[in-house]
Amino acid sequence: GQNIDQPTEMTATEGAIVQINCTYQTSGFNGLFWYQQHAGEAPTFLSYNVLDGLEEKGRFSSFLSRSKGYSYLLLKELQMKDSASYLCAVRDILTGGGNKLTFGTGTQLKVEL
Amino acid sequence: DAGITQSPRHKVTETGTPVTLRCHQTENHRYMYWYRQDPGHGLRLIHYSYGVKDTDKGEVSDGYSVSRSKTEDFLLTLESATSSQTSVYFCAIRRGPSGGTDTQYFGPGTRLTVL
Repeated sequence: GQNIDQPTEMTATEGAIVQINCTYQTSGFNGLFWYQQHAGEAPTFLSYNVLDGLEEKGRFSSFLSRSKGYSYLLLKELQMKDSASYLCAVRDILTGGGNKLTFGTGTQLKVEL
Repeated sequence: DAGITQSPRHKVTETGTPVTLRCHQTENHRYMYWYRQDPGHGLRLIHYSYGVKDTDKGEVSDGYSVSRSKTEDFLLTLESATSSQTSVYFCAIRRGPSGGTDTQYFGPGTRLTVL
């Protein structure tokens, strides 16, 4: 099976930087994904890592260490609209076909003035 | 926008009644998925499809069935709804490497309440 852990809640200040961590245990790792989900809306894809290192996309960056089973999502220059839940998901080639993803329970980020 | 619609968007029903949720996509993707999302559990896979009439179970398939008679539609049926099936249901498609990152993209969701 797979185990994905991320903090339940985080609070940060507008304009600051926040790092949301995700740890996972999986046998056939084949990619880690971050999604953003605003309240009452669908998850939207943010970033993807399959090799070690940092992927940068505007204000958002995602880092992966496969040996440590660890990823983080870094949000810079926080804006109020970044208040949302951030979901970490892992793809495992050993869970059968279908390109299935296993999701963590999400980190609720609150951005304050 | 992944060209996915779900219907209905909201539904209230009573225990024991059958319920069918529809997912419709306009981009001819092969893979489609049904998830439920509940507080404290995150997104959990119910069933998925890898082509017309080709489906398989996910993590929480008990009490649910699916059908896919054409590429664009993936139906989720609760044969006899129970209160434990009150949830938000999301459909997703897999958009492969040719369309960008090979990952899943979600529809707007259906909020189902079983009384």
